[in-house]
Amino acid sequence: SQTIHQWPATLVQPVGSPLSLECTVEGTSNPNLYWYRQAAGRGLQLLFYSVGIGQISSEVPQNLSASRPQDRQFILSSKKLLLSDSGFYLCAWGGGRGSGEAFFGQGTRLTVV
Amino acid sequence: AQSVAQPEDQVNVAEGNPLTVKCTYSVSGNPYLFWYVQYPNRGLQFLLKYITGDNLVKGSYGFEAEFNKSQTSFHLKKPSALVSDSALYFCAVRVTVNMLTFGGGTRLMVKP
Repeated sequence: SQTIHQWPATLVQPVGSPLSLECTVEGTSNPNLYWYRQAAGRGLQLLFYSVGIGQISSEVPQNLSASRPQDRQFILSSKKLLLSDSGFYLCAWGGGRGSGEAFFGQGTRLTVV
Repeated sequence: AQSVAQPEDQVNVAEGNPLTVKCTYSVSGNPYLFWYVQYPNRGLQFLLKYITGDNLVKGSYGFEAEFNKSQTSFHLKKPSALVSDSALYFCAVRVTVNMLTFGGGTRLMVKP
């Protein structure tokens, strides 16, 4: 069965520091991969999605970037964090083939101080 | 544009009573609709989906959802609520083959 791993679970970083969040998927090949941000425990904002290695689509302009160096690995990065980057970051896989539902990782709570 | 709306920020229900969490959609063509649940500081868990077929879809944890094309709704229901059902619920619709869009979420509070 497919599983998705996301780490770390929590992260406290100072303003101006770099960021790297990693997500990996097991049990499937060539998945669509997604990064979402959830602010204030409510709505989801799609940040990036990828349909293949090296293919990244950005949904909103921001201080973040994403990369997909391997088929089942998706990385969210920032060179210099802002206070406004605080939030709950969720990685997901799915979409594409089949009916399109997405399956989510456990999330990373990022606090920028 | 394809979208879903969840008109209630919060729904309160007593344990043992039936619950309904509302979702309306706006899509062109046939909708692919989904419900997810999120517990505090956790990722979203897939509950159920409607693609085609029977309008009443059954999912995990005793939840079901009713697709109503004339009312463009896809309400989540459960006959008897549990305190452990208290969580944040999201409705979603597939907008492209690669993408879902989510409603703003509804917080369900089940009181003993």
